[in-house]
Amino acid sequence: GDSVTQMEGPVTLSEEAFLTINCTYTATGYPSLFWYVQYPGEGLQLLLKATKADDKGSNKGFEATYRKETTSFHLEKGSVQVSDSAVYFCALKQSNDYKLSFGAGTTVTVRA
Amino acid sequence: SAVISQKPSRDICQRGTSLTIQCQVDSQVTMMFWYRQQPGQSLTLIATANQGSEATYESGFVIDKFPISRPNLTFSTLTVSNMSPEDSSIYLCSVEVQNTEAFFGQGTRLTVV
Repeated sequence: GDSVTQMEGPVTLSEEAFLTINCTYTATGYPSLFWYVQYPGEGLQLLLKATKADDKGSNKGFEATYRKETTSFHLEKGSVQVSDSAVYFCALKQSNDYKLSFGAGTTVTVRA
Repeated sequence: SAVISQKPSRDICQRGTSLTIQCQVDSQVTMMFWYRQQPGQSLTLIATANQGSEATYESGFVIDKFPISRPNLTFSTLTVSNMSPEDSSIYLCSVEVQNTEAFFGQGTRLTVV
């Protein structure tokens, strides 16, 4: 079945540092790929998505590119802020299915 | 988009009791989803709730333990029955809009003592 593998955390960074969270997937066909963010005490929010190969999703300074050849969707941000401290989840969804398959989540802490 | 309200936001319950979690959406949606997020872990789909039919449960989850109601297109409840400490988790309601994006409630943080 489909699965998502995320870089293990926790990740601790200083403000203005560069952030990368690796995400790879196993799936048939061409699923849509997502990054969700969960701020402390809150539910999940969609951060960005990509629906086909070579698409780049971006939002709030975060970017991720759908790489079919490496089955990856790594999340990057060039300069993180304390407010980016959260848990980040990579997920995929097949076009003919309603289910989201989530990675394990990566906890990111940004220190001032 | 969709705005989802979940109640309660948190609760501490005695083992052996049951808790019903409510999920209200600000628009009509066909499918509603219930997830469990155990401490330090990712989300696991419990079941899918469709209006007018029984919920569809994922492997490892059964109706007797997690009965679900879906009386209309904007509301659903999940009951966690006969609770044990292993049921301590965050329970999240989710909906999908136009088959493109999933929206989540803020979650119900349940602690069973």
